[in-house]
Amino acid sequence: NAGVMQNPRHLVRRRGQEARLRCSPMKGHSHVYWYRQLPEEGLKFMVYLQKENIIDESGMPKERFSAEFPKEGPSILRIQQVVRGDSAAYFCASSPPRQPGNTIYFGEGSWLTVV
Amino acid sequence: AQSVTQLGSHVSVSEGALVLLRCNYSSSVPPYLFWYVQYPNQGLQLLLKYTTGATLVKGINGFEAEFKKSETSFHLTKPSAHMSDAAEYFCAVSDVNNNAGNMLTFGGGTRLMVKP
Repeated sequence: NAGVMQNPRHLVRRRGQEARLRCSPMKGHSHVYWYRQLPEEGLKFMVYLQKENIIDESGMPKERFSAEFPKEGPSILRIQQVVRGDSAAYFCASSPPRQPGNTIYFGEGSWLTVV
Repeated sequence: AQSVTQLGSHVSVSEGALVLLRCNYSSSVPPYLFWYVQYPNQGLQLLLKYTTGATLVKGINGFEAEFKKSETSFHLTKPSAHMSDAAEYFCAVSDVNNNAGNMLTFGGGTRLMVKP
């Protein structure tokens, strides 16, 4: 049973370009979460999605950031017009349909560097 | 709103010594509690979690943690540190009443260094 798969693992973008990060959840998991880890900081929640639905995006920056989890295919976190401050590790996590205390499983992360 | 405080962003111990990583939470009701470990340039791996039942929870790699409601704490311990334990450790909580999933609120992390 493959774990949470994220790609690319490392991405370099120039300021103003777009970054697309992909996440395939574990088999049987219908819930996806995106977290951001800035250098020397903990993880901050960004968005929680189920198939074709954004459930909670309270942690998403108001501009330039968007996320989707289509019926088919991976979840995608999209950052438009990247700036240096977007440089961070972006982690995707997944869990089964909600039961209290469910463990969420993390991917290996995507490291974005904006130059 | 929940919050998690990890006292000590860096902890250094000698190999074979006791490891104690502190975690306190703030929540209106006792939450579910987790400890994750992160090795350099890798994702987070679950060490252990507390949901209900016995307050002393045993995890992988010889780690354990005790939920103390009166102290709102969930400190992580290991009797004898190994060099391979050097990593970043994150305490996290999720809301038992959260109907919108198992979102976690993380502490700032504690970097454990193990000296030979």
